[in-house]
Amino acid sequence: AQKITQTQPGMFVQEKEAVTLDCTYDTSDQSYGLFWYKQPSSGEMIFLIYQGSYDEQNATEGRYSLNFQKARKSANLVISASQLGDSAMYFCAMSPNTGGFKTIFGAGTRLFVKA
Amino acid sequence: NAGVTQTPKFRILKIGQSMTLQCAQDMNHNYMYWYRQDPGMGLKLIYYSVGAGITDKGEVPNGYNVSRSTTEDFPLRLELAAPSQTSVYFCASSSNSIRNTIYFGEGSWLTVV
Repeated sequence: AQKITQTQPGMFVQEKEAVTLDCTYDTSDQSYGLFWYKQPSSGEMIFLIYQGSYDEQNATEGRYSLNFQKARKSANLVISASQLGDSAMYFCAMSPNTGGFKTIFGAGTRLFVKA
Repeated sequence: NAGVTQTPKFRILKIGQSMTLQCAQDMNHNYMYWYRQDPGMGLKLIYYSVGAGITDKGEVPNGYNVSRSTTEDFPLRLELAAPSQTSVYFCASSSNSIRNTIYFGEGSWLTVV
């Protein structure tokens, strides 16, 4: 069975510092995608970054990068130069390439950025 | 820039009432979804659709119904509302490409009293 684990219920980071949010997954699929979403206090779900299982390079999107370690089945999100606006809930998700309806989400990590 | 649009944003229902959450997407996505998010929790899939006329149950379908008459629209019907259905509901869509990123609506806050 597929599973996503986010072991950090809450994290604190000082403004302008980098922070890593952990995500591990379990799947028997060979081809899959990994995603991170941000949910600010206003409630919407914002797509941040995508990593394909066959991508050789780690994905980057601005201040977001995904540290993908396939053998360890981990897909950690790294936020560089944290900003106050980064305070939010962050969800890791995984989807086999056979269909988005099989996407599963982790329980989330709440990030607090301190001034 | 509309993406996924869902209405209403907030609603209070009395126990036993019924209502429909509307959802529309303008990205020509084949796949559409309804999720619920209980306070402090992750997302649970209620129903999904892989195309017009095709729907299927997700993880928590009881108490809900859906229809998909067009590619764009995917309404969620709550029948006989119960307090356990108090939640935030998200409509979402994705293409059927390999990179099937799911895009979400802004959410609908529903309280059943």
